[in-house]
Amino acid sequence: DAGVIQSPRHEVTEMGQEVTLRCKPISGHNSLFWYRQTMMRGLELLIYFNNNVPIDDSGMPEDRFSAKMPNASFSTLKIQPSEPRDSAVYFCASSFNSGNTIYFGEGSWLTVV
Amino acid sequence: SQQGEEDPQALSIQEGENATMNCSYKTSINNLQWYRQNSGRGLVHLILIRSNEREKHSGRLRVTLDTSKKSSSLLITASRAADTASYFCATDVSDMRFGAGTRLTVKP
Repeated sequence: DAGVIQSPRHEVTEMGQEVTLRCKPISGHNSLFWYRQTMMRGLELLIYFNNNVPIDDSGMPEDRFSAKMPNASFSTLKIQPSEPRDSAVYFCASSFNSGNTIYFGEGSWLTVV
Repeated sequence: SQQGEEDPQALSIQEGENATMNCSYKTSINNLQWYRQNSGRGLVHLILIRSNEREKHSGRLRVTLDTSKKSSSLLITASRAADTASYFCATDVSDMRFGAGTRLTVKP
């Protein structure tokens, strides 16, 4: 299996622009997680889905952030409009049911200038 | 918070020494997992220990679990420079939230 695939790997964008991060989970996994990692705040769980349904989005920082999972093999995390404080590494991860071993992608490095 | 909390925050040792890091949690669990993160990479699963297990080994890794104290420890024996990384724990009841991790530096 190719593992969890994220795109883009790196993105530099200007403040105010829309950013869309994409994730393809491991085939057969039914739980998907989005995390954000910064030096200041560590690794934060933003949202997680189970069977394509958002279960807990309490970590989503504000309305500028939205996440969707239209099917079992694809998810997006959108930031609109982006701000410099959104600069971080965004990780997607998947597992077979929440609470079991999760597998991380390599992350999307976002810089908002 | 239901997430695990790692201790110490940072640990620096010489190659060949053993490294021990700890994880504490607050609620009853079914399993606890340890992960490693190399700089700039995603987390990688190391080992899962179930609530009915007290100790588990994987190569140079030894994990213990004390459910009465709600704590776990990860021991890396005969450390190598390549073990330099951050180590995190997570429990099944935390919805896979992670603490701040332990930053391990192994000096050659």
